[in-house]
Amino acid sequence: GNSVTQMEGPVTLSEEAFLTINCTYTATGYPSLFWYVQYPGEGLQLLLKATKADDKGSNKGFEATYRKETTSFHLEKGSVQVSDSAVYFCALGNQAGTALIFGKGTTLSVSS
Amino acid sequence: DVKVTQSSRYLVKRTGEKVFLECVQDMDHENMFWYRQDPGLGLRLIYFSYDVKMKEKGDIPEGYSVSREKKERFSLILESASTNQTSMYLCASSLLAGRTYEQYFGPGTRLTVT
Repeated sequence: GNSVTQMEGPVTLSEEAFLTINCTYTATGYPSLFWYVQYPGEGLQLLLKATKADDKGSNKGFEATYRKETTSFHLEKGSVQVSDSAVYFCALGNQAGTALIFGKGTTLSVSS
Repeated sequence: DVKVTQSSRYLVKRTGEKVFLECVQDMDHENMFWYRQDPGLGLRLIYFSYDVKMKEKGDIPEGYSVSREKKERFSLILESASTNQTSMYLCASSLLAGRTYEQYFGPGTRLTVT
């Protein structure tokens, strides 16, 4: 079945550092891919998405490219801020198209 | 603006109590979901519903039931709460649309069972 694997955290960075959070997936067909972010004490918010191979999703300086050849959807940001400290989840649609399958989450901590 | 609300942010219940968690969305979405979130395990799907009075089991339905009497409301029921159900519970909704499955989440209910 479909599954998502993302790098374990926590990831600790200084402000203005480059961020990469790795996400790889296993899926049949062509599922949509998502990155969600969860700030402390809040629910999940959609950060960005890509619906087909080679699509690049972007939002708030974050980017991720849907790579079918490497089955990856890595999250990147060129210069992180303290306010980016949160838990990041990679997700894809399940085979039946009825729900999302989430990775276990990666905690990012950015210090000034 | 899209909105999913949950009835409580924090809840403390005793073992054996019947617990109701309520979720309401104002986006006229067909799909609604209940997840639980635990450290190191990510989000796991408990139940989902794609229409009024319809429900499907997710990955971990044991010990839970759901009710959807109106399109905008989806309730999660713990028939007899146990300490291993202490967790963060997240509700979400989405359109019944193609491949996109974009889900909108509520703020979560942190349930403690003592």
